[in-house]
Amino acid sequence: DAGVIQSPRHEVTEMGQEVTLRCKPISGHDYLFWYRQTMMRGLELLIYFNNNVPIDDSGMPEDRFSAKMPNASFSTLKIQPSEPRDSAVYFCASSPVSTESGANVLTFGAGSRLTVL
Amino acid sequence: LAKTTQPISMDSYEGQEVNITCSHNNIATNDYITWYQQFPSQGPRFIIQGYKTKVTNEVASLFIPADRKSSTLSLPRVSLSDTAVYYCLVGVFYNQGGKLIFGQGTELSVKP
Repeated sequence: DAGVIQSPRHEVTEMGQEVTLRCKPISGHDYLFWYRQTMMRGLELLIYFNNNVPIDDSGMPEDRFSAKMPNASFSTLKIQPSEPRDSAVYFCASSPVSTESGANVLTFGAGSRLTVL
Repeated sequence: LAKTTQPISMDSYEGQEVNITCSHNNIATNDYITWYQQFPSQGPRFIIQGYKTKVTNEVASLFIPADRKSSTLSLPRVSLSDTAVYYCLVGVFYNQGGKLIFGQGTELSVKP
């Protein structure tokens, strides 16, 4: 399995532009998560899905952020309009309900580094 | 959600055993303890998970005392490649309505 695939790996944009981050989870995983990491705030859970349905979006900073999961193999995180304070590394992770080593073990992607100028 | 407290940083030398302790005084009955490792410019990676007593895998051991108010991640004979940030998480699984929150983690530096 190729693991969790995120694109783009790096994105530099100007304030006010729309940004779309993409994620392909591991096939067969029921859960998909979007995290954001900054030096100041560490790793923050933004939203997670179970079987393509958003379960908890309480971590989404504001209405400028939206996430969708149209099918089991694809999710997007959109920021519109983007602001400099949105600069961060955005991670997507997926998880099966249970594994041999435990339950809800998250596998993270390599991340998308966003810089908003 | 159970709050966790870990040392911000630790130093070690190659070949030594490293023990990182995490305090979680208000852990709930159904909470599990999970540790992740994160290398620079990478996403976190699952290391080990347990509920009580001791769990061991090919990477590490996890020691959990009877009161479960703390846990210790043990890394045997560390190498330079073990330099990373280690996160302790406590919570109920997502399929039980829980949520896993990452704290600040422990930055481990292994020196030659």
